[in-house]
Amino acid sequence: SQTIHQWPATLVQPVGSPLSLECTVEGTSNPNLYWYRQAAGRGLQLLFYSVGIGQISSEVPQNLSASRPQDRQFILSSKKLLLSDSGFYLCAWSAARDRLLYEQYFGPGTRLTVT
Amino acid sequence: AQKITQTQPGMFVQEKEAVTLDCTYDTSDQSYGLFWYKQPSSGEMIFLIYQGSYDEQNATEGRYSLNFQKARKSANLVISASQLGDSAMYFCAMSGLISNFGNEKLTFGTGTRLTIIP
Repeated sequence: SQTIHQWPATLVQPVGSPLSLECTVEGTSNPNLYWYRQAAGRGLQLLFYSVGIGQISSEVPQNLSASRPQDRQFILSSKKLLLSDSGFYLCAWSAARDRLLYEQYFGPGTRLTVT
Repeated sequence: AQKITQTQPGMFVQEKEAVTLDCTYDTSDQSYGLFWYKQPSSGEMIFLIYQGSYDEQNATEGRYSLNFQKARKSANLVISASQLGDSAMYFCAMSGLISNFGNEKLTFGTGTRLTIIP
């Protein structure tokens, strides 16, 4: 069965510090990978998605970046955090199937507080 | 552009009663998918149920069913025999193409907080 891991679970960082959040998927090959952010009491906003190693697309321009160094590894980074970067970050994966549209499965999330 | 609307910010339901969570959507795509996710206080998003736009029958998964009315562009979630563990945020979402390669993007509604009362 497939499993998705995220770490750290919680993180408190000062403004201007760097960020690195990691996501790994087990039990599947060549997944589509996604980074979402959820502000307090809000829905999810897609930040980045990746269809393969080194292939990253951004949905929202901001001071965050993403990388996919391995097939099942997705990293969210920032060189200098802003207060507005606080939120709940969720990684998700999906697999291609016969039907065009397929569900995404989410990791446990990282709660980031920028102080 | 796709849009999901959930008009119920919060609902209180007596345990063992059925509950309907409303979701309406807007899209110009011919093919799309509709999803419901549950987010308990732990934060994890749990996939509940999927309905394809060309599926003629309403989707069902255990106590969850999706009341799909294509002409009205609605995809309401029905939970039968509610349990205390059903208390959570519920998000309706729909998928659409990111690119011509068939990559997926989920557009989420703002959610409904469901509280089950013992």
